[in-house]
Amino acid sequence: DAGVIQSPRHEVTEMGQEVTLRCKPISGHNSLFWYRQTMMRGLELLIYFNNNVPIDDSGMPEDRFSAKMPNASFSTLKIQPSEPRDSAVYFCASSRGTIQETQYFGPGTRLLVL
Amino acid sequence: DAKTTQPPSMDCAEGRAANLPCNHSTISGNEYVYWYRQIHSQGPQYIIHGLKNNETNEMASLIITEDRKSSTLILPHATLRDTAVYYCIVRVGGAQKLVFGQGTRLTINP
Repeated sequence: DAGVIQSPRHEVTEMGQEVTLRCKPISGHNSLFWYRQTMMRGLELLIYFNNNVPIDDSGMPEDRFSAKMPNASFSTLKIQPSEPRDSAVYFCASSRGTIQETQYFGPGTRLLVL
Repeated sequence: DAKTTQPPSMDCAEGRAANLPCNHSTISGNEYVYWYRQIHSQGPQYIIHGLKNNETNEMASLIITEDRKSSTLILPHATLRDTAVYYCIVRVGGAQKLVFGQGTRLTINP
């Protein structure tokens, strides 16, 4: 299996632009997680889905952030409009969704908003 | 989830056992102890988890004290590739969320 796939791996954009991050979970996994990592705040959970349904979005910083999972093999995290403070590494992870199941992380998208 | 306390950094010589401590004195009976690590510029990687018994797998061993208020992750023969940030996480049974703290930055020296 190819593991969790994220794209793009690097993104540089200007403040005010829309940014879309993409994630393909491991085939057969029912849960998908979006995390953000910064030096100041560490690694924090933004939102997670079970069977394509958002379960907990309490970590989404504000309305500029939105996440969707239209099917079991694809999810997007969108920032509109982007701001410099959104600069971070964004990780996607997936798991089988059963109790105590391991989360497998993707390589991350490094976002820089100028 | 219970809060964990880890030393910010540790060093270990290559080939020696690396023992990483974690304090979770407020852990509840249904909370598991998880360990993940993050090698530079990569996503976190699962290592091991346990409830109250000691656990061992191909990567590491997890020793949990009898009162469950602390645990130790043991990498039996550390290599340079084990240099990473190690996160100790306490997670409620059945919960899917992982709450990462600051972790321990382990450096393996040649």
